[in-house]
Amino acid sequence: KQEVTQIPAALSVPEGENLVLNCSFTDSAIYNLQWFRQDPGKGLTSLLLIQSSQREQTSGRLNASLDKSSGRSTLYIAASQPGDSATYLCAVAQNSGGSNYKLTFGKGTLLTVNP
Amino acid sequence: DAGVIQSPRHEVTEMGQEVTLRCKPISGHNSLFWYRQTMMRGLELLIYFNNNVPIDDSGMPEDRFSAKMPNASFSTLKIQPSEPRDSAVYFCASSLAGAPGYTFGSGTRLTVV
Repeated sequence: KQEVTQIPAALSVPEGENLVLNCSFTDSAIYNLQWFRQDPGKGLTSLLLIQSSQREQTSGRLNASLDKSSGRSTLYIAASQPGDSATYLCAVAQNSGGSNYKLTFGKGTLLTVNP
Repeated sequence: DAGVIQSPRHEVTEMGQEVTLRCKPISGHNSLFWYRQTMMRGLELLIYFNNNVPIDDSGMPEDRFSAKMPNASFSTLKIQPSEPRDSAVYFCASSLAGAPGYTFGSGTRLTVV
């Protein structure tokens, strides 16, 4: 059974700092890995998706890396801003038969960026 | 596209009552997922459908929970009878089978008192 762990569970940083969020998974047979953002009381917004054959993806100040063999991914946020404050969730997709895939989520990292 | 639409946004009900949550996936998506989110357990997959057929319901906690997808544009998750421990946020998500990326709805916050 796939297990996804995110460290740290919570992080508080001053504005402008660069930071790294960590995600690890136990079964390396994944289809892709996604990073999501969740604001309080809201749904999930997809930030970055890395296919299993890729090593990293970038979008603006965000960079996500994937090391499938070691079961790890990192989300790097450059020059953090108060608007980045949210919970960041890591999820891995695995094939569950045919063209069916399902996501397993970590419990998230609660990020607070202080002005 | 309006995205994945869930209703209601909030539901407060008394223990023992039947609760029905609704989801409209993105048009053209043929996979639909129901998740439950709690502080203790995070996001858990309850059930998912491919082409309206339930593929994996191993996450459904017990017989009080049931889900249907009568057509490609509508799904329901029913809890009967509801219990206080069912209180959580329930999310629906859809995707195109075999393609990367999932789109989540805004969720239904269920409170059972």
